[in-house]
Amino acid sequence: QVQLQESGPGLVKPSQTLSLTCTVSGDSITSSGYFWSWIRQHPVKGLEWLGSIYYNGRTYYNQSLKSRISISVDSSKNYFSLRLSSLTVADTAVYFCARHDTSYPFDYWGQGTLVTVSS
Amino acid sequence: DIQMTQSPSTLSASVGDRVTITCRASQIISSWLAWYQQKPGKAPKLLIYRASSLESGVPSRFSSIESGTEFTLTISSLQPDDFATYYCQQYDSFPWTFGQGTKVEMK
Repeated sequence: QVQLQESGPGLVKPSQTLSLTCTVSGDSITSSGYFWSWIRQHPVKGLEWLGSIYYNGRTYYNQSLKSRISISVDSSKNYFSLRLSSLTVADTAVYFCARHDTSYPFDYWGQGTLVTVSS
Repeated sequence: DIQMTQSPSTLSASVGDRVTITCRASQIISSWLAWYQQKPGKAPKLLIYRASSLESGVPSRFSSIESGTEFTLTISSLQPDDFATYYCQQYDSFPWTFGQGTKVEMK
């Protein structure tokens, strides 16, 4: 059974950088052939795909976030991470990590973690 | 980016009702469409993939059809566990995008 678990700070100040980690169990990030993704959900704007990292390390980002986003993998610990810089209050959302395939949508999700951007 | 437009945004229904939700893509997405169900405080749950394929373990009362750029999710007989918000999502091309959601509430 594949399980994903997000972890990170619940409160971050404007202009700072958010760092979230998604720990995966029941599957190997670097050998399974899947994409590992970050998605967020705003109270009003709905669900937004942020970016994905392929098992080989190639990354795909939502260009709406421009150069603020970075996703990386720690294969030794089987987790992947999100870094989002220059935060504003508009980045306040529930952040989910999830798994998908090249021809298959998000089948496993973490439970989500609320991140509030506030001074 | 491909825009996904769902309707209605809210739907009031009773147990046993037949419910339909529509999702329209701004361009052809070649059946690369998924439907999710989300309950408060939970992650979305995959119901349908490839426009009409039922995810394992999902009850057969859920179905979906495709007609060009329009997709329709049907719940044949609404059950108490089905009151939730439903989202469509295209995975034809990055950035993957979601519809704004349809909340199915009790009448």
